[in-house]
Amino acid sequence: DSGVTQTPKHLITATGQRVTLRCSPRSGDLSVYWYQQSLDQGLQFLIQYYNGEERAKGNILERFSAQQFPDLHSELNLSSLELGDSALYFCASSAMNTEAFFGQGTRLTVV
Amino acid sequence: GEDVEQSLFLSVREGDSSVINCTYTDSSSTYLYWYKQEPGAGLQLLTYIFSNMDMKQDQRLTVLLNKKDKHLSLRIADTQTGDSAIYFCAEKGYQKVTFGTGTKLQVIP
Repeated sequence: DSGVTQTPKHLITATGQRVTLRCSPRSGDLSVYWYQQSLDQGLQFLIQYYNGEERAKGNILERFSAQQFPDLHSELNLSSLELGDSALYFCASSAMNTEAFFGQGTRLTVV
Repeated sequence: GEDVEQSLFLSVREGDSSVINCTYTDSSSTYLYWYKQEPGAGLQLLTYIFSNMDMKQDQRLTVLLNKKDKHLSLRIADTQTGDSAIYFCAEKGYQKVTFGTGTKLQVIP
């Protein structure tokens, strides 16, 4: 158990809908990262938050947004969903000088 | 910006050694990591190396770092079928960890 909790584990939704994925980092970790993993594109970095502030942005679509709350949990919001958004979405957390610890992921299926 | 590159696929026979390679661009990296992802699971840290080290050995795993060429490799000795997974290289810069896209290791019995 990495200490990073993601909910839900599985999500099936229709095109055009909006979903929210949640991540609780390891206790004390200030950084939260979101990644998308689809079959043909490996692990794509989406966005990083550090202590509530956006720190780095990767290949995140405009339809996607994220935030980190004062209690350090984070949410990734995906809207106007398309079939191509079906993927595993991972959250990871890290402290200043440690490796990133990953959650088990949320498998999103858009039908 | 930071970039980490890996080959996508590697196939080896059971009992042989596997060598997975990675190159990175951030010269200020402090730590370099190898993660393993088994099917249907999240990423788990396998091993790491400080940027001021050349080599680290941990049982069947050997990590080699060539800082001049920004090249990292993971050698798995006596590869087993249970080693079949995707292996991700990652580097830690200032407050951020950058991952490669992963190398899928297939072990042939």
